[in-house]
Amino acid sequence: SQKIEQNSEALNIQEGKTATLTCNYTNYSPAYLQWYRQDPGRGPVFLLLIRENEKEKRKERLKVTFDTTLKQSLFHITASQPADSATYLCALPTGGTDKLIFGTGTRLQVFP
Amino acid sequence: DAGVIQSPRHEVTEMGQEVTLRCKPISGHDYLFWYRQTMMRGLELLIYFNNNVPIDDSGMPEDRFSAKMPNASFSTLKIQPSEPRDSAVYFCASSTPREYEQYFGPGTRLTVT
Repeated sequence: SQKIEQNSEALNIQEGKTATLTCNYTNYSPAYLQWYRQDPGRGPVFLLLIRENEKEKRKERLKVTFDTTLKQSLFHITASQPADSATYLCALPTGGTDKLIFGTGTRLQVFP
Repeated sequence: DAGVIQSPRHEVTEMGQEVTLRCKPISGHDYLFWYRQTMMRGLELLIYFNNNVPIDDSGMPEDRFSAKMPNASFSTLKIQPSEPRDSAVYFCASSTPREYEQYFGPGTRLTVT
């Protein structure tokens, strides 16, 4: 079955730097992959979706890449700000269904 | 739109009691998902509905859990009887078939003592 691996250790970076988070999956390449942001005490919020035929996607300071050969997606936040501090989850569909499986998330802490 | 609405936001109950969690999806969304989130296991899908019909309940941990969607604007997740290991945050999410992103509610934090 499909499994997702995200770095469980928190990522601490200085304001203004670029944060890079990794999402690896173990089985077949999905048709798309999503990234969500989750703040403490709140539900996940959708950020970006990238399809298997797209290598890169951008939205403001966010950039996502998708490498089906490496079975990996990278999530970048450029010019990071303390307000970017949150847990970031990647998610992908399973077996051609409408179900998503989520990674356990990586906590990002941006300090001034 | 108010977004996905869940109630209650917090529930504390004793082992053996029945617990009912409620969800109102975003109007016009055909899909409704129930998730459970714990530190140990992360975010797990319990069950999802399409047009009020349960499609996949393979994530429901055991017969103590049941979910219904009597109409397009309301769903319940019931645990009977509850156990301490059911303590978690339960999220409801909805989506449309034209978009893949899911919209999550604020969650219900359940504590079973």
